[in-house]
Amino acid sequence: AQKITQTQPGMFVQEKEAVTLDCTYDTSDPSYGLFWYKQPSSGEMIFLIYQGSYDQQNATEGRYSLNFQKARKSANLVISASQLGDSAMYFCAMRVQGAQKLVFGQGTRLTINP
Amino acid sequence: DSGVTQTPKHLITATGQRVTLRCSPRSGDLSVYWYQQSLDQGLQFLIQYYNGEERAKGNILERFSAQQFPDLHSELNLSSLELGDSALYFCASSVTDGNSPLHFGNGTRLTVT
Repeated sequence: AQKITQTQPGMFVQEKEAVTLDCTYDTSDPSYGLFWYKQPSSGEMIFLIYQGSYDQQNATEGRYSLNFQKARKSANLVISASQLGDSAMYFCAMRVQGAQKLVFGQGTRLTINP
Repeated sequence: DSGVTQTPKHLITATGQRVTLRCSPRSGDLSVYWYQQSLDQGLQFLIQYYNGEERAKGNILERFSAQQFPDLHSELNLSSLELGDSALYFCASSVTDGNSPLHFGNGTRLTVT
């Protein structure tokens, strides 16, 4: 079975600082994808970044990067130069090849302080 | 804007009633997924359709059912509603079944009183 663990229920960071949100995963399948989503207080789920298990390089999308450490089964999200608008819930998710559903972690609530 | 449209945004109804949630996927996406988000259960996968056919089932109650129509829009039907069904219901769509990201709609917030 696939499982995603996000150990930080909440994080508080000063504006302009970089922040790392932790995500570890568990699967025995060699082919899988890892995703990060942002959920602001308004409720919508916004796709941020994707990393495939066979990708050689860490994924980056603007200020978002994914620190993928396959041997440790971790896929941490790094947000550089945080902004007030980054305050939200962040979810790590995984889907193994051949499976239909995306399995989500419990989320981390990030608060950016001015 | 993800391109996934969900209606209605909010729904308030009484226990025992039946409601229908509607979802239009992004243009070109063949897969539609339904998720339920509640405070105690987190994001739970309910069901997936691909090009009109049911592909996968998750923790969907027997009181709930869904379908995907020929124009690819999908409906989630919730019946004999209970207080515990109050949650945010998301529809998501993707291009294929593979490792393409799911794009979520803004959700329907259901309150059962």
